[in-house]
Amino acid sequence: AQSVTQLGSHVSVSEGALVLLRCNYSSSVPPYLFWYVQYPNQGLQLLLKYTSAATLVKGINGFEAEFKKSETSFHLTKPSAHMSDAAEYFCAVSDRGGYQKVTFGTGTKLQVIP
Amino acid sequence: DSGVTQTPKHLITATGQRVTLRCSPRSGDLSVYWYQQSLDQGLQFLIQYYNGEERAKGNILERFSAQQFPDLHSELNLSSLELGDSALYFCASSPRGGARTDTQYFGPGTRLTVL
Repeated sequence: AQSVTQLGSHVSVSEGALVLLRCNYSSSVPPYLFWYVQYPNQGLQLLLKYTSAATLVKGINGFEAEFKKSETSFHLTKPSAHMSDAAEYFCAVSDRGGYQKVTFGTGTKLQVIP
Repeated sequence: DSGVTQTPKHLITATGQRVTLRCSPRSGDLSVYWYQQSLDQGLQFLIQYYNGEERAKGNILERFSAQQFPDLHSELNLSSLELGDSALYFCASSPRGGARTDTQYFGPGTRLTVL
């Protein structure tokens, strides 16, 4: 069965510092991986997705993630944190088959300190 | 704005009651997904419908049921409500039957409080 593990339920960074949110996956087939962001009192919004093309995926708002098969990881990074990045971030993996069953991680809340 | 609408935004009810949550997908999207988000369980996939047919089932309780109508809107019915059913319920839609690379577009959610 597929799964994702997000390390750290809360991460704090200073404004302008590097953002690194960790995600490791487990999948019996080549995975398709996603990062979603949830701002307070809102639904989830796709940041980026890996679909087996380029291993370095660029998303919205300056975020990017690198798929590393050897490490079974798909960590999310942003070179310089902005106050508006404060939100909860979810890593997700998509199942195989003719339908899309997405399994979400437990989420990481990012706090940006001015 | 994702284009997915959910009503109502908030719902407060009592244990043992039944409620219906409604979702309208983005224009043109054929698949609708329902999720439950709670503090202790995180974000849990409940069920998916594609063009009116049930496509995939997740951790959906027997007390819960859903359907997708010919106009593609969907309803999630929750019955015999318990305190533990208090959560945010999200609907998402995607263009196709759920190809693995499809992006899901989430609605703003319905916050259910069971007293």
